[in-house]
Amino acid sequence: QSVLTQPPSTSGTPGQRVTISCSGSRSNIRGNTVNWYQQLPGMAPKVLIYSNNHRPSGVPDRFSGSKSGTSASLAISGLRSEDEADYFCATWDDSLNGPVFGGGTKLTVL
Amino acid sequence: QVQLRESGPGLVKPSETLSLTCTVSGASITSYYWSWIRQPPGKGLEWIGSFYNGGTTIYSPSLKTRVTISLDTSKNQFSLRLSSVTAADTAVYYCARGVGDPIPWVWFDPWGQGNLVTVSA
Repeated sequence: QSVLTQPPSTSGTPGQRVTISCSGSRSNIRGNTVNWYQQLPGMAPKVLIYSNNHRPSGVPDRFSGSKSGTSASLAISGLRSEDEADYFCATWDDSLNGPVFGGGTKLTVL
Repeated sequence: QVQLRESGPGLVKPSETLSLTCTVSGASITSYYWSWIRQPPGKGLEWIGSFYNGGTTIYSPSLKTRVTISLDTSKNQFSLRLSSVTAADTAVYYCARGVGDPIPWVWFDPWGQGNLVTVSA
C-alpha cells in the first residue's frame, strides 16, 4: 500500500494527451514539492519532472507537471510510442520524515 | 557526469543479512543526499534510508530496526545492510543521489542501474 495514490494504468493513442494523477495528504504533497519519474521497461527510474513543474535538460516539453493542494498530476501531450513506461510520483512525507512514492501508473500507447 | 553502481550478491538466504555497496563517480558522497530505494518485482518503489551532510542517516520507520547505511569516503562508496531478511525483501535495490534544497524538496538524480536481490534458501 503506497502512501501516494496513482491509477494503476492508463492508455492513449499516438498524438493524444494523457494525464496521470497522484493523490496524497497534508503531511506530504500539500507542504512539499512533487517529483515524477519515468521507468522504461527493464531500466532504472529517471527523473522526468522535479519541484512540481520543472523539467531536467533533455526532457521534452511534451511533459508537464502541476500541483494543487494535496494532489499533483503529470500531463503528456503528443503521445509517442516511446512514452510507454511506468510513471511514479514522489514527495516528502513530514510524518514519516522521508520520501514517499506512488504505486506507479503503467502507460500503454495503443 | 555522476554515475552510481550497485554491487553485491544476487541471492541471500532467509534470516541472513543482505549487503550491497554503491560506488559513486563524478560527485563526492560528502555532499548531497544519498539514498537506497528498492522495488519488489512488478511493484512500486520503497525508500529504505538515506544519509546526508557526510554522515547523518535516516531510515524508513518500517525498516529501521533492520537497516544500517554506512559510508567509506576514501572509496567514495556507501553501503546498505539489511538484517533478518525474508522473501518479502526480494527486490531490485537502487542507490540514488538526492539533489535539491531543503532536504524535503530533493529529487533523485541519477539512479544506479539496480541490483536484483532474491531471498531464497
